[in-house]
Amino acid sequence: DVKVTQSSRYLVKRTGEKVFLECVQDMDHENMFWYRQDPGLGLRLIYFSYDVKMKEKGDIPEGYSVSREKKERFSLILESASTNQTSMYLCASSLSSKGWNEQFFGPGTRLTVL
Amino acid sequence: AQSVTQPDIHITVSEGASLELRCNYSYGATPYLFWYVQSPGQGLQLLLKYFSGDTLVQGIKGFEAEFKRSQSSFNLRKPSVHWSDAAEYFCAVRAYSGAGSYQLTFGKGTKLSVIP
Repeated sequence: DVKVTQSSRYLVKRTGEKVFLECVQDMDHENMFWYRQDPGLGLRLIYFSYDVKMKEKGDIPEGYSVSREKKERFSLILESASTNQTSMYLCASSLSSKGWNEQFFGPGTRLTVL
Repeated sequence: AQSVTQPDIHITVSEGASLELRCNYSYGATPYLFWYVQSPGQGLQLLLKYFSGDTLVQGIKGFEAEFKRSQSSFNLRKPSVHWSDAAEYFCAVRAYSGAGSYQLTFGKGTKLSVIP
């Protein structure tokens, strides 16, 4: 079974802090994704990566950056956290850009910024 | 640009009743379509997917979905709902995002409540 793990289930940070959310997948997937999920807005893509050291902006990249130094790990970085970044963050991975592109999701990190 | 619309934000059904969750998509080419389910406090789990072939697709947990090209719809159905089906359901379409890669565009979700 594919396993996508996220470093924390719950996280509380203060405004202005630098925040790292980590995601690891164990199936040698090429693609990895970061979404945020807010009530009534569904899932919105922040960034994705289709290869090591490669990244592409999604629909809402402002205020975020990402890092992919190794194939299995994809980090989301909030350089200076703000209260409007309080949300559920979901990481996903998929085998490649071809074919089904079925995405496998981690359990999510619920981030609260005070 | 591609888009997915789930017209129903919240649906309540009685246990044992049938269920249909609506999904309409907008995409210029032949769509890859997905339904995901998210149980409370969990990540998303794939229920079923469609690309081509039989327009009626069977998935896990007794769910099925029917692709209707003329209506741009991919509705999810279950003949008899169980209390454990209470969750949020997301429809998604795969779309080309440039640089040889694809991404999923999700609808805003339909929350299902089940009355015992």
